Amino acid sequence: DTGVSQDPRHKITKRGQNVTFRCDPISEHNRLYWYRQTLGQGPEFLTYFQNEAQLEKSRLLSDRFSAERPKGSFSTLEIQRTEQGDSAMYLCASRPKSSYEQYFGPGTRLTVT
Amino acid sequence: EDQVTQSPEALRLQEGESSSLNCSYTVSGLRGLFWYRQDPGKGPEFLFTLYSAGEEKEKERLKATLTKKESFLHITAPKPEDSATYLCAVGAGGGADGLTFGKGTHLIIQP
Repeated sequence: DTGVSQDPRHKITKRGQNVTFRCDPISEHNRLYWYRQTLGQGPEFLTYFQNEAQLEKSRLLSDRFSAERPKGSFSTLEIQRTEQGDSAMYLCASRPKSSYEQYFGPGTRLTVT
Repeated sequence: EDQVTQSPEALRLQEGESSSLNCSYTVSGLRGLFWYRQDPGKGPEFLFTLYSAGEEKEKERLKATLTKKESFLHITAPKPEDSATYLCAVGAGGGADGLTFGKGTHLIIQP
């Protein structure tokens, strides 16, 4: 039973650097989501893909953030010119076409110094 | 704007002491209400989906219920391994697919 996987699990970077995270969804799931979670808060929605099409973006997704899902399989989330406020857990989730339940990966913990 | 409020923020119980967690929500066209469990440093783990008022679902010591304005997560005779943060989220209709989460209830079960 393969769940959602994310890589890396932890990333420490200096302010101003670019970082990229990868998410591999559950194989038969065609919808993929990115969320951000800070300490003491619930996850906040960032963006969503149906197959390779990016269908929804939150106002939280500034111009420094970009996400892709080439070929409708894995997805990447890139943050350019990182700021200390970008420090958070970045969560990926996926769901099948047949239900609304989203299944989350373990997250990537980003620390910007 | 969709909103989810969870209470209490934190709850400490003795092993075997039953209680309930509350999730109040406002949403434009509820597509589903979701409960998740989250352990420290890990991603949320799916527990339940509720779709309409009056619906109930159970899993081991947990039971989730739904009304038109709120949902409850009842924990019966909890054990220390039930200690976690419990998150409530709503999915809205109208084409929006991202979930709106509450801040969670941090539950501690003392042996």
